[in-house]
Amino acid sequence: KNEVEQSPQNLTAQEGEFITINCSYSVGISALHWLQQHPGGGIVSLFMLSSGKKKHGRLIATINIQEKHSSLHITASHPRDSAVYICAVIVTSGSRLTFGEGTQLTVNP
Amino acid sequence: DTGVSQNPRHKITKRGQNVTFRCDPISEHNRLYWYRQTLGQGPEFLTYFQNEAQLEKSRLLSDRFSAERPKGSFSTLEIQRTEQGDSAMYLCASSLGPLYTFGSGTRLTVV
Repeated sequence: KNEVEQSPQNLTAQEGEFITINCSYSVGISALHWLQQHPGGGIVSLFMLSSGKKKHGRLIATINIQEKHSSLHITASHPRDSAVYICAVIVTSGSRLTFGEGTQLTVNP
Repeated sequence: DTGVSQNPRHKITKRGQNVTFRCDPISEHNRLYWYRQTLGQGPEFLTYFQNEAQLEKSRLLSDRFSAERPKGSFSTLEIQRTEQGDSAMYLCASSLGPLYTFGSGTRLTVV
């Protein structure tokens, strides 16, 4: 079992839909990252969370430390949101990231 | 500072050849990481440096792989005697504390 698991693996939505991607982890962490990866490989950090909730534009990320669970929400989805979204954690007392396998999101017009 | 820079972006090499990739991190970041990503998978950790010291190496990093970070600035990742299974995206990231910045990666194809 991976230390970081994401669901769903693939998600197809219509433009305008509300999207949720989930991440569960089985280890103690000091921080959790949500990352976006477009075709071609480049990874962009969307959020870093250690507690609570963060919002940036149409993106919202939440984390529940007790339940070891985080969610990434996209409101009013748009085709340009199509990408792979990756959850990654920094294990307590460590520094490197441990990644989930990613969620491929496709938003159709 | 323009972020984390990786060169080359793409590399096609014949099996058995040696290849070297370069990563230039954000100058204020003291930690530098190499990850490998195959199609449809999340990145896997290879190794990381704090300043010039290589602090951790994954078991994925066989004897054919070597990484250096002379003077704690840029880093190189060398793969000797490449195999088809080495074909992947090689990602570099740098960090200061928990804040990470990723490069665009080097896509290696071994033919």
